[in-house]
Amino acid sequence: DTEVTQTPKHLVMGMTNKKSLKCEQHMGHRAMYWYKQKAKKPPELMFVYSYEKLSINESVPSRFSPECPNSSLLNLHLHALQPEDSALYLCASSQVPGGGPQHFGDGTRLSIL
Amino acid sequence: GDSVTQMEGPVTLSEEAFLTINCTYTATGYPSLFWYVQYPGEGLQLLLKATKADDKGSNKGFEATYRKETTSFHLEKGSVQVSDSAVYFCALRGGGTSYGKLTFGQGTILTVHP
Repeated sequence: DTEVTQTPKHLVMGMTNKKSLKCEQHMGHRAMYWYKQKAKKPPELMFVYSYEKLSINESVPSRFSPECPNSSLLNLHLHALQPEDSALYLCASSQVPGGGPQHFGDGTRLSIL
Repeated sequence: GDSVTQMEGPVTLSEEAFLTINCTYTATGYPSLFWYVQYPGEGLQLLLKATKADDKGSNKGFEATYRKETTSFHLEKGSVQVSDSAVYFCALRGGGTSYGKLTFGQGTILTVHP
């Protein structure tokens, strides 16, 4: 069983919709990550939160908006997405930034119509 | 910058065969090295790790040794099972101010037949 929980598991949305992805961990980790994974490719880092503050934004388009309300939760708000944004979105956490391995959730499979 | 190169797949083996998936890396300083496994429809699971030269990571019959002299971290298993069929990713985490950023290899698809 994964210790990082992501909801929903699947999401289908139109290009004009607004939706949010949610990630939760209760391991006391202080670093959380969002990745995007296309089929048959490795994950690509999008954002890093360190102690609830955004530390890294890998030049992600503004239609993706991350939020870290507290040390256990990480959200990814989606608005006006494009078909090429269809992918598996993975959340991960680690004890501290750069310390300990990253633990991944099972992801949200997103399809943009 | 940091990079990871994995042997290209797919790799197809019969059950109980010996597995090797090659992984080499380029990094400054002393990175930590990881193998992750991704089963169909799931996220990535940490398989094993090594944080310094000559460390051997092991888990579920898989092993990998951190070889600084050859900048390698090859994954091995003595006898694979059908349930080992998955995608395997080699990854490194650099030091410094990288905030724990992982650099992944391209992944190797492993299929094990009965």
